[in-house]
Amino acid sequence: NAGVTQTPKFRVLKTGQSMTLLCAQDMNHEYMYWYRQDPGMGLRLIHYSVGEGTTAKGEVPDGYNVSRLKKQNFLLGLESAAPSQTSVYFCASSYLNYYNEQFFGPGTRLTVL
Amino acid sequence: SQQGEEDPQALSIQEGENATMNCSYKTSINNLQWYRQNSGRGLVHLILIRSNEREKHSGRLRVTLDTSKKSSSLLITASRAADTASYFCATDDRAGGTSYGKLTFGQGTILTVHP
Repeated sequence: NAGVTQTPKFRVLKTGQSMTLLCAQDMNHEYMYWYRQDPGMGLRLIHYSVGEGTTAKGEVPDGYNVSRLKKQNFLLGLESAAPSQTSVYFCASSYLNYYNEQFFGPGTRLTVL
Repeated sequence: SQQGEEDPQALSIQEGENATMNCSYKTSINNLQWYRQNSGRGLVHLILIRSNEREKHSGRLRVTLDTSKKSSSLLITASRAADTASYFCATDDRAGGTSYGKLTFGQGTILTVHP
């Protein structure tokens, strides 16, 4: 099993450009999450999904959109990138149970110039 | 939103010593989890302690939870150079409702174990 994979691993954008980050999991997890991690800070939740076709806002959703058309995939989009979105982005997934542990992907390092 | 605070921010020890990291949080929780992050990698789940538990062990890890003080500690015994990483606490603060498994992470403790 590959677990949680993220594409791409690195990306450099110019301000105003758009891009989509792809997260895929092969564990048949119901829940999926997108986080961002900035230096000296913990992870902050951007958006999450509790199942195929559903998404919800997390702590820092502004400037991002998401879609979950297939259970195994969770896409994070930046429509018009800003330097403040320079960060490392992590995707995670978990089972639908009462005591969940999250399984994380390796991260995408994004720089917006 | 609730955020765990971790203490210390950085910890430097010698191999063989014990490492203790602390986490405080603000509201009622369902469970508290500890994760490890090696440099440049994703987070890996270490251990979960439920709100009705006070102590839990897993190998060289010992976690305690004091819900009256809203705090937890992670003890790594007989540390090794390979334990060098950042350690994060995360709280599931659904507290009677459903949080859909959302976790709130602390800022982390950077542990360096010198050979």
